[in-house]
Amino acid sequence: LAKTTQPISMDSYEGQEVNITCSHNNIATNDYITWYQQFPSQGPRFIIQGYKTKVTNEVASLFIPADRKSSTLSLPRVSLSDTAVYYCLVGDNMGTGKLIFGQGTTLQVKP
Amino acid sequence: GAVVSQHPSWVICKSGTSVKIECRSLDFQATTMFWYRQFPKQSLMLMATSNEGSKATYEQGVEKDKFLINHASLTLSTLTVTSAHPEDSSFYICSASAIQFFGPGTRLTVL
Repeated sequence: LAKTTQPISMDSYEGQEVNITCSHNNIATNDYITWYQQFPSQGPRFIIQGYKTKVTNEVASLFIPADRKSSTLSLPRVSLSDTAVYYCLVGDNMGTGKLIFGQGTTLQVKP
Repeated sequence: GAVVSQHPSWVICKSGTSVKIECRSLDFQATTMFWYRQFPKQSLMLMATSNEGSKATYEQGVEKDKFLINHASLTLSTLTVTSAHPEDSSFYICSASAIQFFGPGTRLTVL
């Protein structure tokens, strides 16, 4: 079973901020939270990773509450090219542990 | 950043033949690599964990004699689909350690 739960789909419009929340109630102490983006017929692409509080990079922000049982990926001012499937995963940040993918969230950005 | 490549990017074969897919880490050494399979409109399903210098660990339900995995060096893992059948047609994706960088995937079509 996947360790995470996400909404199956979301719709947005160009220029809006999109927030995708992921539940991971059984996250382990040494688990990090990692988000990936996948376009059709491509491998997943790393977006952002965090352990607690807030992480920000050039493409997204990741908000993690103190209990770490959920996390929210924030995409500022989305464009049509952000239409993709977004996966939230938990696991050790060294990549030595296997990652089990959930169903992901299909984000559709409309003009 | 770290790059993982796969070869070939797509392959079409006849039923009953074997197909080899290569996964390479281009600028880092990967003691562990992972192989996933993805059917249309579905999430990635972990098939096996490939460990350099030792036998691969297969997930439940994955036939180890059908999906042969070899991890002969720290930069190369291969997946051989033996006696392929139409139901093996899928998108095969590998990933390497270090925040799990994913390859671009290989589209296998078995006629």
